[in-house]
Amino acid sequence: DAGVIQSPRHEVTEMGQEVTLRCKPISGHNSLFWYRQTMMRGLELLIYFNNNVPIDDSGMPEDRFSAKMPNASFSTLKIQPSEPRDSAVYFCASSSGLNPYEQYFGPGTRLTVT
Amino acid sequence: AQSVTQPDIHITVSEGASLELRCNYSYGATPYLFWYVQSPGQGLQLLLKYFSGDTLVQGIKGFEAEFKRSQSSFNLRKPSVHWSDAAEYFCAVANSGGSNYKLTFGKGTLLTVNP
Repeated sequence: DAGVIQSPRHEVTEMGQEVTLRCKPISGHNSLFWYRQTMMRGLELLIYFNNNVPIDDSGMPEDRFSAKMPNASFSTLKIQPSEPRDSAVYFCASSSGLNPYEQYFGPGTRLTVT
Repeated sequence: AQSVTQPDIHITVSEGASLELRCNYSYGATPYLFWYVQSPGQGLQLLLKYFSGDTLVQGIKGFEAEFKRSQSSFNLRKPSVHWSDAAEYFCAVANSGGSNYKLTFGKGTLLTVNP
């Protein structure tokens, strides 16, 4: 079975550019989570969706970050404009309605903003 | 707000030795507790979880963890470590009282295994 799919795996961009990260959750899962991992702050939840609806976006750092889930099989995290402090690994995870706390993580997108 | 503390940033053990990774949580009631493992360049994988009942829980890869309410702890153990266990380990807590499935993670413990 395919796990959580994230693209791209690596992204290098210049400050001020728009960055879009993509996630395809496991088929049948109805919760989707976006995390950011840095050395300084560890693993932080940015936002999570349940049945395509944002439930908790309290971790979204500022207005430069936005996330969408237009359907059950796709989500995007956008940063516009990007800044060097956004450099991190961004993970997407999904879980099912039967076991909502058991999150399955994707391989992550390593973002570098120069 | 709930929080998780993993006091050890880095632990080194010899292959075949026993292992205990510490985790302490702060939460008003009995939380849901988890241990995840992250291999280099990979996402996190769930090792085990505690929701209720027996306070000693078994997980994958020979790991176990014990919930101790009196100590607000959920330490991870393995009787004999293999070289392939070298990875970073994260303890996490979730709110057991509602429908918010958010996990709060500790900062992680990096495990090095010497041959």
